[in-house]
Amino acid sequence: AQSVTQLDSHVSVSEGTPVLLRCNYSSSYSPSLFWYVQHPNKGLQLLLKYTSAATLVKGINGFEAEFKKSETSFHLTKPSAHMSDAAEYFCVVSDLWTGANNLFFGTGTRLTVIP
Amino acid sequence: DAEITQSPRHKITETGRQVTLACHQTWNHNNMFWYRQDLGHGLRLIHYSYGVQDTNKGEVSDGYSVSRSNTEDLPLTLESAASSQTSVYFCASSESAFGGKNTGELFFGEGSRLTVL
Repeated sequence: AQSVTQLDSHVSVSEGTPVLLRCNYSSSYSPSLFWYVQHPNKGLQLLLKYTSAATLVKGINGFEAEFKKSETSFHLTKPSAHMSDAAEYFCVVSDLWTGANNLFFGTGTRLTVIP
Repeated sequence: DAEITQSPRHKITETGRQVTLACHQTWNHNNMFWYRQDLGHGLRLIHYSYGVQDTNKGEVSDGYSVSRSNTEDLPLTLESAASSQTSVYFCASSESAFGGKNTGELFFGEGSRLTVL
């Protein structure tokens, strides 16, 4: 069975400091993992994805995520937070046997960036 | 550039009225989805379609219907709006529907905020 757990519902960082948003997953098969970002009053936008190529995945706006199979984690990081990073972030898991109608969305992590 | 657009962006209606939310995509994707987003529940799938004339119920389909007469559009209809349907609705499309590495890569519209009084 699949599931996704975003360990923090809210993360607050100061501008210029590192960002870490945590995601753990459970999947019976080789998973594909995605991070989406949602800015206020906007739709979700794909930030990055892991589909069994390199375990360190680079996304837009300086974000990265590392797939760690042994830890079943896919944490999202950024070296230096910018005010424009303030948004809601969602971790999503699928696998080769998952239909697009059966994606598992995390409950979201709200990132606040303090000036 | 290809895009997915929703209309209206904001709608206020009364209980019992029929409401239709439009979704139009120019990605030429076969697969389209409607979600609702509520505090404490995250994103929940309402209906989805894997191609023209194909429609399927999702997790929270009661009180909603969709139709797919062409590739570009998947309108969502609330037959008789209820206060419990006050929510933000998102339409999405995808290239991959099943069994692919990119299943899970969705393109979202900007949302339609519906208030039912």
